[in-house]
Amino acid sequence: SQKIEQNSEALNIQEGKTATLTCNYTNYSPAYLQWYRQDPGRGPVFLLLIRENEKEKRKERLKVTFDTTLKQSLFHITASQPADSATYLCAPRNSGNTPLVFGKGTRLSVIA
Amino acid sequence: SQTIHQWPATLVQPVGSPLSLECTVEGTSNPNLYWYRQAAGRGLQLLFYSVGIGQISSEVPQNLSASRPQDRQFILSSKKLLLSDSGFYLCAWSPRDNSPLHFGNGTRLTVT
Repeated sequence: SQKIEQNSEALNIQEGKTATLTCNYTNYSPAYLQWYRQDPGRGPVFLLLIRENEKEKRKERLKVTFDTTLKQSLFHITASQPADSATYLCAPRNSGNTPLVFGKGTRLSVIA
Repeated sequence: SQTIHQWPATLVQPVGSPLSLECTVEGTSNPNLYWYRQAAGRGLQLLFYSVGIGQISSEVPQNLSASRPQDRQFILSSKKLLLSDSGFYLCAWSPRDNSPLHFGNGTRLTVT
């Protein structure tokens, strides 16, 4: 069956450091992979999408990599700030009109 | 611009009572529509998705049902709630080309 694993339920880092979150998937052949941010009591908000033919994508302090051989995506936040504290969700998606299934997420806490 | 409305924001219902949660989308046509649930400390669980009026796909067998009476309206229902139905219910939409999902603000349901 398809499986999405995000490393550690919680990750604590010092302000100013780079946070790295991992998303591993099995039994998927994703055409693309999405990352979302979820704050407590709110719905997830889309951050970045990376396609299977892209190795890396950047948006301001965010960087996503996608390795289809390792079946893994890494999500980096550079110069992290306390405002970056949230749960981050990954969602690989096969081609076609299939629904989006999410990993359980990693709760990031950036400590001042 | 597109907006998604979900209501109510919070709901407390006794076991065995019926449920109706409503979600509407504005500013777009023929969206894909989704219902997700997030139990306390758990990940996002896909419940139902719809690619068109009257077309509902169920991901998890349970005492919930969904309907799409109009193009931009998605309703989640139950005839008799169980304690295990408590959770955070999120409605989401995406364009037909499977661009990222846009979530509503969610409904916090507590079954007592």
